[in-house]
Amino acid sequence: DVKVTQSSRYLVKRTGEKVFLECVQDMDHENMFWYRQDPGLGLRLIYFSYDVKMKEKGDIPEGYSVSREKKERFSLILESASTNQTSMYLCASSLTHSEAFFGQGTRLTVV
Amino acid sequence: QQQVKQSPQSLIVQKGGIPIINCAYENTAFDYFPWYQQFPGKGPALLIAIRPDVSEKKEGRFTISFNKSAKQFSLHIMDSQPGDSATYFCAAVVPYGGSQGNLIFGKGTKLSVKP
Repeated sequence: DVKVTQSSRYLVKRTGEKVFLECVQDMDHENMFWYRQDPGLGLRLIYFSYDVKMKEKGDIPEGYSVSREKKERFSLILESASTNQTSMYLCASSLTHSEAFFGQGTRLTVV
Repeated sequence: QQQVKQSPQSLIVQKGGIPIINCAYENTAFDYFPWYQQFPGKGPALLIAIRPDVSEKKEGRFTISFNKSAKQFSLHIMDSQPGDSATYFCAAVVPYGGSQGNLIFGKGTKLSVKP
């Protein structure tokens, strides 16, 4: 079974903190994605990566950065957390021409 | 057009009913169409998927119908159960995308199956 593991299920951070969300996949997938999910807005793509050290901006990259130093790991960084970044964050991985597999999600609250 | 339009936004059916969720697309470069099921507090999980050279695919109580000429596809849930209550997302895969990457999602349908 494909496994996509996100480092935390729940996270509470203070405004202005630097926040790291980690994601690891075990299926040697070349593509990895970070989405945020908010009620009524569906899944919105923040960043994606199709290879190590490669990254592309998604629809809503502002306030975020990413890092992919190894094929299996894709990190999302909130440079200076703000309350409007309170959300569910979902990591996914895929092969090209194929479906994505999601992690269990990280519910981030910024206070 | 890198969009997938999904309807309805929400759906309520009685147990045993057959909810139908519809999706439409414009980009003929899409070459794979997965459906995801998401329960509250969990990540979306792959439910069933279809390629455009097939008109129908069945897995258990879940069926995808695909109409290539109309650029539409739909999910049918036979004999729906309260445990099927979840949010369903359709998606389309394109060989190489722009700001959305290669996986384009619909906005989701919240299904509620009443006992």
